[in-house]
Amino acid sequence: DQQVKQNSPSLSVQEGRISILNCDYTNSMFDYFLWYKKYPAEGPTFLISISSIKDKNEDGRFTVFLNKSAKHLSLHIVPSQPGDSAVYFCAASEKWAGAQKLVFGQGTRLTINP
Amino acid sequence: ETGVTQSPTHLIKTRGQQVTLRCSSQSGHNTVSWYQQALGQGPQFIFQYYREEENGRGNFPPRFSGLQFPNYSSELNVNALELDDSALYLCASTLQGSYGYTFGSGTRLTVV
Repeated sequence: DQQVKQNSPSLSVQEGRISILNCDYTNSMFDYFLWYKKYPAEGPTFLISISSIKDKNEDGRFTVFLNKSAKHLSLHIVPSQPGDSAVYFCAASEKWAGAQKLVFGQGTRLTINP
Repeated sequence: ETGVTQSPTHLIKTRGQQVTLRCSSQSGHNTVSWYQQALGQGPQFIFQYYREEENGRGNFPPRFSGLQFPNYSSELNVNALELDDSALYLCASTLQGSYGYTFGSGTRLTVV
C-alpha cells in the first residue's frame, strides 16, 4: 500500500519556466513533509520541508505548498535551471515505534531543457 | 563538517551469502537509519538506531539486522542473500527528534 505517491514518473520543462512537482499521501498521521533531490550515483539531498501545521514554505527559487484537506503537496521551482535536472522525491515523516521514519514516493525525473 | 560516508560503494554477492555494509554518520548526529532503494522506486525504511539500540523497523525480515557503535557509526547486515535484495542501500543520520536527515551516497548491492 503506497502511502506517498508521485504520479508523474517524469516531467520536462523549458529553462526559465516554472516546474511543478506533485505528491499525494494517504496517512493523516504524517507530521512533516520533505523534498529531496537525487543525482545519479549520489544519495538524496535535502531541498525543502514543511510542517503539517503550515501550508507554505519558501526558500529562494523553491516553494512547497501543503493542502491537508486534499492530502496533497507540491514543489514549485521558479525559474527552472538546467542544474535542477534530477530525480525528485517527496517524503513524509511519521513516528514508527520509537523511531521517526520517512516514507518516500517513487520519484519524478525532472528534465530542464535549454 | 563531514557528511555521511558509506562503504563499500559497490558489491557483488552470491545468493545465500552474507553481507555487511558500513556507515559513518555526520558529525553531531546520534541517530542512524537504513533504507533500501530498488530500481525505479523510492527508498524504503529498514530500521533506525539510537543509543546503540534498534528503535523502529520497517517491513523487512529478521535476516536484515544492524548495529550502532558508541561513535554513532553503524552496520547493516543481511544474511542468506536473495536475488531481490539487489538494491541501493542508503544510510541517513540525524539528531534524535530532528527532521534534518543527511543521506550517504549509498552502497549498490548486486546479488547473483
